[in-house]
Amino acid sequence: GIQVEQSPPDLILQEGANSTLRCNFSDSVNNLQWFHQNPWGQLINLFYIPSGTKQNGRLSATTVATERYSLLYISSSQTTDSGVYFCAVRGSTLGRLYFGRGTQLTVWP
Amino acid sequence: GAVVSQHPSRVICKSGTSVKIECRSLDFQATTMFWYRQFPKQSLMLMATSNEGSKATYEQGVEKDKFLINHASLTLSTLTVTSAHPEDSSFYICSARGQGVRTDTQYFGPGTRLTVL
Repeated sequence: GIQVEQSPPDLILQEGANSTLRCNFSDSVNNLQWFHQNPWGQLINLFYIPSGTKQNGRLSATTVATERYSLLYISSSQTTDSGVYFCAVRGSTLGRLYFGRGTQLTVWP
Repeated sequence: GAVVSQHPSRVICKSGTSVKIECRSLDFQATTMFWYRQFPKQSLMLMATSNEGSKATYEQGVEKDKFLINHASLTLSTLTVTSAHPEDSSFYICSARGQGVRTDTQYFGPGTRLTVL
């Protein structure tokens, strides 16, 4: 299967700070999703981004498919951004998703 | 759109009993559903994939007689943990992919926390 590595594993920030989360993957993919798992366990789709750059409010993501990595940027972080951020990839159209181990983000007021 | 619900959200049962978890796609037809298991502070582990009307495909190491999956309709899949034991305690999450929404995106339910005493 496709190996997915996320870094850093843990990140602690003060409210208002910016951060960058990274996702490296071992093979070509046709789907990459970023998720936020809130403290209650709900996985929330942030981005579907197999390539290119997208922005949604304070969050943006960039995937460089040829170099097999994706970055998630969080600007002006808020305490509600706390939780685990997962990157997941899929190698074929109807294949399964491969998840990274996640980045645990804690934002302090 | 693309809402997936799970019921119950939390269940506590005695060792040896069976527990059924329901996963529903509320506003789209889920041609494929996925069941995941997540231990504390770990990533999601895919247990099985099911297509509507077909038998589920289980990942290596997952006991199909222990974790019974039924995907009888385009909006409902169930996971039954048979003869549950304390080591089955975990967070179970379903996910769906289908028609009427982005077919290349998986949508996740809120999860079910199972505690076996």
